[in-house]
Amino acid sequence: EAGVAQSPRYKIIEKRQSVAFWCNPISGHATLYWYQQILGQGPKLLIQFQNNGVVDDSQLPKDRFSAERLKGVDSTLKIQPAKLEDSAVYLCASSVTGVVGQETQYFGPGTRLLVL
Amino acid sequence: SQQGEEDPQALSIQEGENATMNCSYKTSINNLQWYRQNSGRGLVHLILIRSNEREKHSGRLRVTLDTSKKSSSLLITASRAADTASYFCATATEFTGRRALTFGSGTRLQVQP
Repeated sequence: EAGVAQSPRYKIIEKRQSVAFWCNPISGHATLYWYQQILGQGPKLLIQFQNNGVVDDSQLPKDRFSAERLKGVDSTLKIQPAKLEDSAVYLCASSVTGVVGQETQYFGPGTRLLVL
Repeated sequence: SQQGEEDPQALSIQEGENATMNCSYKTSINNLQWYRQNSGRGLVHLILIRSNEREKHSGRLRVTLDTSKKSSSLLITASRAADTASYFCATATEFTGRRALTFGSGTRLQVQP
C-alpha cells in the first residue's frame, strides 16, 4: 500500500513570497489533515478535511493560509504571504474515517519550509 | 496550546537498556496514542490505548495509562540504536469539538550502540 505522498520535500523562499504544498493521501482515506511542526515542538493541526469538506480549521491563520481538497482526494496548502515564523515542517496525514481517536493517522514525510 | 507534555525532553541510554518516557495531559480523553519520528521524516504510529484500558503491549513496547493522574508512560525494552528518534504522545478528545489529535512536545531518545 502506498503511503501519504507530499511535495516538494524542501522549499526555501523569502518573506512575503507565496508557497504551495501538495499532498496525496492513502487511497480510500476520507480524512486528511495538515499539521505544522516547528523545530523542537510537536505537530499542531492546521486543518482537517472529511472528504472535500472542512471539519476543523480553527487553528489555521486564515489571513495568510488557505487549503483545499478538490474531489476529496489530493490537497494543497498555500501560504501567501509567508512570514519568517512560518518556517517549519508541514506534515500531511490521512486516516480512514477520522472518527475521533479510533483511527490511526498515517503521515507523509513532510515539506520543510525555510522563510528567509 | 499543547495538550500532552512529555518528560523527559531528552533521554540518552545505552543499547540494551530500557527507555521510559512519560506524558501528562490536561483534559479528559477518548484515547492516547504514541508516535515515533525519525530525524527528518514523518511520524509513525506506535500504539493506541483507550481511556478504559490501563496497559497495552506491542512487541518491545509497553504503554500504561492512568486517567486519574492524566498521565501515560511508554516503555521500550531492550533498546536498539534504531530506536533513536523523537517520541510523541497524542491525545484524542471528544469534549472540545475538535476531532484531530493534539500532540505533546516530544521526548528525544538517543540510543548509543
